[in-house]
Amino acid sequence: AQSVTQLGSHVSVSEGALVLLRCNYSSSVPPYLFWYVQYPNQGLQLLLKYTSAATLVKGINGFEAEFKKSETSFHLTKPSAHMSDAAEYFCAVSALGNTGKLIFGQGTTLQVKP
Amino acid sequence: GAGVSQSPSNKVTEKGKDVELRCDPISGHTALYWYRQSLGQGLEFLIYFQGNSAPDKSGLPSDRFSAERTGGSVSTLTIQRTQQEDSAVYLCASKKNRGAETAEAFFGQGTRLTVV
Repeated sequence: AQSVTQLGSHVSVSEGALVLLRCNYSSSVPPYLFWYVQYPNQGLQLLLKYTSAATLVKGINGFEAEFKKSETSFHLTKPSAHMSDAAEYFCAVSALGNTGKLIFGQGTTLQVKP
Repeated sequence: GAGVSQSPSNKVTEKGKDVELRCDPISGHTALYWYRQSLGQGLEFLIYFQGNSAPDKSGLPSDRFSAERTGGSVSTLTIQRTQQEDSAVYLCASKKNRGAETAEAFFGQGTRLTVV
C-alpha cells in the first residue's frame, strides 16, 4: 500500500524566510510524487512532480523539492517566502495500477507573516 | 473550455435530499477523477473514469454515491439521501490519457456541499 505523511498541519514563516514543508512517503515501488497548492476557494494547482528523472525538481513560483530515497522524503522548499505563498499545500503519490489516481497527504497550511 | 469547470460552486441541501454535481473536464482529456475534501479526512479519491472503460469506483464511501460520464466528457456525481457527513468540497480533475501516472491532474474549483 502507498501512503503520504505531511509533518505539520500548519507552518508559519516570516516574509523572506525559508519555507520548508515536509513530506514522507511509503511505497513498495519507485513512486511518482507531486506537490499541489490550493489557494482559498480554488482547486488544486500543480507545483512540481518527481517522475524518476532528476532527484531535485524545480517547480513554479520558485519552489523546489528533492527526492531522497534513503529517507523516503520529498520535502518542498522555497528560499524566500512571499505573502502570496500563503495557501494549503498537498503532497501526493500516484497510486499503483497506472490509473493516475492520487493519494494525498493531509495538507499543510502555510502562513506568511509580514 | 480552458479549464475544468464544476457546477454549482455551492450547494446547500436538506438532509435526505438527492444532489447532483457536474464536472466538465478539459476538452480532449480522457481521464476524469472525483475527489472529496473534508475536514478531518483530507482529500479522498472517489471514482475514476478512463475513456469507455468501466469506472474505478473503489473510493465511493457508500451505495448512496454514484457517478456517470456521458459521451466521454461531462460527468455527474450523484449523492442520494444526503447525510450531514456528506458535507464537503467535491473536486473534479482531468488528465490526458497518455502517461496517466505521471501526467498533471487539472482540478476544478470544486463544489462546496452543505447538508443541513
